[in-house]
Amino acid sequence: AQTVTQSQPEMSVQEAETVTLSCTYDTSENNYYLFWYKQPPSRQMILVIRQEAYKQQNATENRFSVNFQKAAKSFSLKISDSQLGDTAMYFCAFMKESPGGYQKVTFGTGTKLQVIP
Amino acid sequence: KAGVTQTPRYLIKTRGQQVTLSCSPISGHRSVSWYQQTPGQGLQFLFEYFSETQRNKGNFPGRFSGRQFSNSRSEMNVSTLELGDSALYLCASSLTTGTSGGELFFGEGSRLTVL
Repeated sequence: AQTVTQSQPEMSVQEAETVTLSCTYDTSENNYYLFWYKQPPSRQMILVIRQEAYKQQNATENRFSVNFQKAAKSFSLKISDSQLGDTAMYFCAFMKESPGGYQKVTFGTGTKLQVIP
Repeated sequence: KAGVTQTPRYLIKTRGQQVTLSCSPISGHRSVSWYQQTPGQGLQFLFEYFSETQRNKGNFPGRFSGRQFSNSRSEMNVSTLELGDSALYLCASSLTTGTSGGELFFGEGSRLTVL
């Protein structure tokens, strides 16, 4: 079974600064997908960024980037130039590639990020 | 394009009752999955449906059940409610039908309180 660990329950960052959220996972699979989801106080979860395990290049989406270390099973999220709208719960998630196509996503327990003006 | 719609948004039940939650996925999405979110446990996978078939199930007791209709709308049911079932229940839909690691699109959730 896969496990996803987010060791930082809460974090804060000053507006315009950079913050890094940590995530580690445990799996014996070789092909899988990793995601960071954001859940603002309004509760609707949205995808921030995704990474395919077979790709060595780290994914980037505007101010959001990841540091994917496959051997270390680490998948951290860096938010640059933090904005007030980045205040949210952030969940790291793992999904393995399945021939049957079924989706069972394993989530971490989340990191609550507060951006301070 | 309408997003994932969950109803009801809030509900209060008492122990022993049952509850049915509904989820309408994004048009064209055939995969629907359900998650239970609690402050201490994070998001726990309940089950996933595709084309009216349950493809995978999480580690929840048999009191938790679900189904999917031919129009991809899904319902989940919890019978004999317990206090510990109080949670936010999230539904997510996806386009993925194969091995492509698709994005999950979440609804706003149904907040269940059991008294």
